[in-house]
Amino acid sequence: DTAVSQTPKYLVTQMGNDKSIKCEQNLGHDTMYWYKQDSKKFLKIMFSYNNKELIINETVPNRFSPKSPDKAHLNLHINSLELGDSAVYFCASSQIVGRGYTFGSGTRLTVV
Amino acid sequence: SQQGEEDPQALSIQEGENATMNCSYKTSINNLQWYRQNSGRGLVHLILIRSNEREKHSGRLRVTLDTSKKSSSLLITASRAADTASYFCATVSDNQGGKLIFGQGTELSVKP
Repeated sequence: DTAVSQTPKYLVTQMGNDKSIKCEQNLGHDTMYWYKQDSKKFLKIMFSYNNKELIINETVPNRFSPKSPDKAHLNLHINSLELGDSAVYFCASSQIVGRGYTFGSGTRLTVV
Repeated sequence: SQQGEEDPQALSIQEGENATMNCSYKTSINNLQWYRQNSGRGLVHLILIRSNEREKHSGRLRVTLDTSKKSSSLLITASRAADTASYFCATVSDNQGGKLIFGQGTELSVKP
C-alpha cells in the first residue's frame, strides 16, 4: 500500500564508498524528485524526472547520479561519499509538475 | 536557493489553542503549498493555494495568501497533541520548472 517507498531507510557507510538509494512509486505519477534535508531540516531539490526524462538538475556535485529506468522508479547513486553528504534524502512524486507532492519516508545517510 | 522564511521557527501551545505560522517568499509564484513532517517521517501535503486565491480551508486548517506582501499564513484551529510536527511552506514559480522551494519550517509543539 506504500505510495512512495525508499530503500534503505538507514545507511551508514565510510567515506569514499559508493552507495545507491532506490525509490519506487505506485501512484502512476509522471514526475519524481530527489530532495536532500540537512541537519537543520532545510529541504533542497536535487533532481527531477518527468517520464524518465531529466527536467531539473540543481547544482549538485557530479558524484550524485540519478537514474530512472521507468517512470515508477528513480534511483540515486552516490560515488566517493563525503562527510558532508550525511543527510536525509527524500524521494517524492507528483502527477502534475508543481502540484502536491507525495513523499517517501526518507533515507538517513550517515557517512563516517 | 531558499525561497523564503517561516516565522516563528518554533511555537509551543496548549491543546485546544490555535496555532498560526507565517511564511514569506521572494519571487512571484504559481502556487504555495503547506506540508507537515512528523519526527523521523516524510512530508505530508496539507493544502495548496493558487496565486489567484486569497484563502483556503481544509478541516481545521486555514491558509491565507497575500501576493502583494509575498506572504502566507497557516492557521490550525483547536490544536491537538497529534498536530505536533514541523510545518513547511513551499512555493512553485512558473520560471523554475515546477520545482518546490521550501522554507525553513516551523516546529510546532502542542502540549496536552
